[in-house]
Amino acid sequence: SAVISQKPSRDICQRGTSLTIQCQVDSQVTMMFWYRQQPGQSLTLIATANQGSEATYESGFVIDKFPISRPNLTFSTLTVSNMSPEDSSIYLCSVDTSSSPSTEAFFGQGTRLTVV
Amino acid sequence: AQSVTQLDSHVSVSEGTPVLLRCNYSSSYSPSLFWYVQHPNKGLQLLLKYTSAATLVKGINGFEAEFKKSETSFHLTKPSAHMSDAAEYFCVVSPLSYQKVTFGTGTKLQVIP
Repeated sequence: SAVISQKPSRDICQRGTSLTIQCQVDSQVTMMFWYRQQPGQSLTLIATANQGSEATYESGFVIDKFPISRPNLTFSTLTVSNMSPEDSSIYLCSVDTSSSPSTEAFFGQGTRLTVV
Repeated sequence: AQSVTQLDSHVSVSEGTPVLLRCNYSSSYSPSLFWYVQHPNKGLQLLLKYTSAATLVKGINGFEAEFKKSETSFHLTKPSAHMSDAAEYFCVVSPLSYQKVTFGTGTKLQVIP
């Protein structure tokens, strides 16, 4: 299993500003993912953070709005840029620690973002 | 392509009675299936997973789920609900060929004393 530390756990931000969320894993992992959970909704995948290459974004998400860094196999950041109240959500980091078909995803505790 | 459908957005049970949370999936591949629980203001916790071994999967806190390929279902059950089971539950599907997962819309479980 993997232990994931995500910071900050919550923040209240002014519209138009940016927030960078950090995700630290206690072991090297190949795949890291960033999810958004809007109020009352399920989780939606934002992007897959690839070490050594650009992140792969899902439909509806773009790099300018959600730039991602993945400098090594244990760390990633997600920035929410030029925030608006619609960005108020929980943002979760997830990792896949399996190299076999038996896939299991582990999640951080999430960052609860409120944009005012 | 893959998808997962949680048939009930809210389920309410009395304490001590059985719990049934329904999940149907579709996948082009033989999938892995998971149930996660999210308590209020908490992170996601893995309850159990199915990865092509035994079709009846036992998880934590007395939960279990049965993989039924013919019905494309993976329903979550518990014989006797406890107050601490009140939370939101997510059914998740992941194909074997890569690791991207798809979440269901979630089922909020209410347990009435």
